[in-house]
Amino acid sequence: DAGVTQSPTHLIKTRGQQVTLRCSPKSGHDTVSWYQQALGQGPQFIFQYYEEEERQRGNFPDRFSGHQFPNYSSELNVNALLLGDSALYLCASSLEDYNEQFFGPGTRLTVL
Amino acid sequence: AQSVAQPEDQVNVAEGNPLTVKCTYSVSGNPYLFWYVQYPNRGLQFLLKYITGDNLVKGSYGFEAEFNKSQTSFHLKKPSALVSDSALYFCAVRDTPYTNAGKSTFGDGTTLTVKP
Repeated sequence: DAGVTQSPTHLIKTRGQQVTLRCSPKSGHDTVSWYQQALGQGPQFIFQYYEEEERQRGNFPDRFSGHQFPNYSSELNVNALLLGDSALYLCASSLEDYNEQFFGPGTRLTVL
Repeated sequence: AQSVAQPEDQVNVAEGNPLTVKCTYSVSGNPYLFWYVQYPNRGLQFLLKYITGDNLVKGSYGFEAEFNKSQTSFHLKKPSALVSDSALYFCAVRDTPYTNAGKSTFGDGTTLTVKP
């Protein structure tokens, strides 16, 4: 049983560019959440998708957007990249809202 | 608003000794509480959770945590530490009202170092 998978593993972009990160949830999970983890900090909640809709959003600008597909996989898009967007982006899936989340290995985004 | 505090950036213990990693939280309703562990260059792994019921929760790898509502704490404990327990530990909280559905708040993490 595959766990949560994310692609790509690493990504280098320049300021102003756009990036798309991808996530496949653990088999059977229907809820996907995205987090940004800056160096030395805990994960910060970006948003959560359930039934292809954004259910909850953290304190992130509209440059951060997402999508969930019918197979429950998800994408995180970031437009107009800033240096401060450099971080590890984590995807987590769960079944039912109150259960534990299963995290992917993350995508390391570096903005130059 | 919900929040989590992990007051210690680093905890050092000797192998075989008991360990405690502290966590306090703030929510408006009843909390869902979680502990996760992160090894270098890897995602977070679930250790244990408190939803309701017994205040002492047992989890993976011999870890346990005690929910204390009056002190709003959820400290992670293990009776006998192993060198392999050395990692970064995160406490997380979710508020129960549906309006906050999905939003988990994580602490900044505590680095646990177990020395032989």
